[in-house]
Amino acid sequence: DAGVIQSPRHEVTEMGQEVTLRCKPISGHNSLFWYRQTMMRGLELLIYFNNNVPIDDSGMPEDRFSAKMPNASFSTLKIQPSEPRDSAVYFCASKLSGANVLTFGAGSRLTVL
Amino acid sequence: GENVEQHPSTLSVQEGDSAVIKCTYSDSASNYFPWYKQELGKRPQLIIDIRSNVGEKKDQRIAVTLNKTAKHFSLHITETQPEDSAVYFCAAITRAQKLVFGQGTRLTINP
Repeated sequence: DAGVIQSPRHEVTEMGQEVTLRCKPISGHNSLFWYRQTMMRGLELLIYFNNNVPIDDSGMPEDRFSAKMPNASFSTLKIQPSEPRDSAVYFCASKLSGANVLTFGAGSRLTVL
Repeated sequence: GENVEQHPSTLSVQEGDSAVIKCTYSDSASNYFPWYKQELGKRPQLIIDIRSNVGEKKDQRIAVTLNKTAKHFSLHITETQPEDSAVYFCAAITRAQKLVFGQGTRLTINP
């Protein structure tokens, strides 16, 4: 298995632009998590899905952030409009819902100028 | 609420010495406690985990202990080596099946 696949690996954009981050979980995993990592706040859970259904989005910072999981093999995290304070590394992770071990993707490093 | 506190935030030890990182959690229903290691520019990777029915687990130079009554758990690294330098995160799974992370400990091994 190729593991959790994220794209893009790096994105630099200007304030106000729309950003879309993508994630393909490990085949067979039915729980998917989006985390944001910054020096100040560490690893923050933004949202997670079970069987493509959003279970808890209490970590989504504000309405500019949205996440979807249209099928078991694909999820997106969208920021519109982006702001400089959104600059961070965004990690996607997946696991089997009945299991505990969480596997991370390589992350998407976002820089908003 | 669901919270995991981790200490210290930075730790520097001499090569060959031991390192200990401590975490406390708030959700009494938590029953799974993993530790992740993150090297610079890389993803967090699981190095060891412990479930609530066990008090201690060891894997070569690393060990984790759990005190459910006090709601704290610790990572112990013995005979530290330069490649142990990284950021280490503890985590706890909540009753809602969320994995909540501590703030991380930056461990530096001095040669």
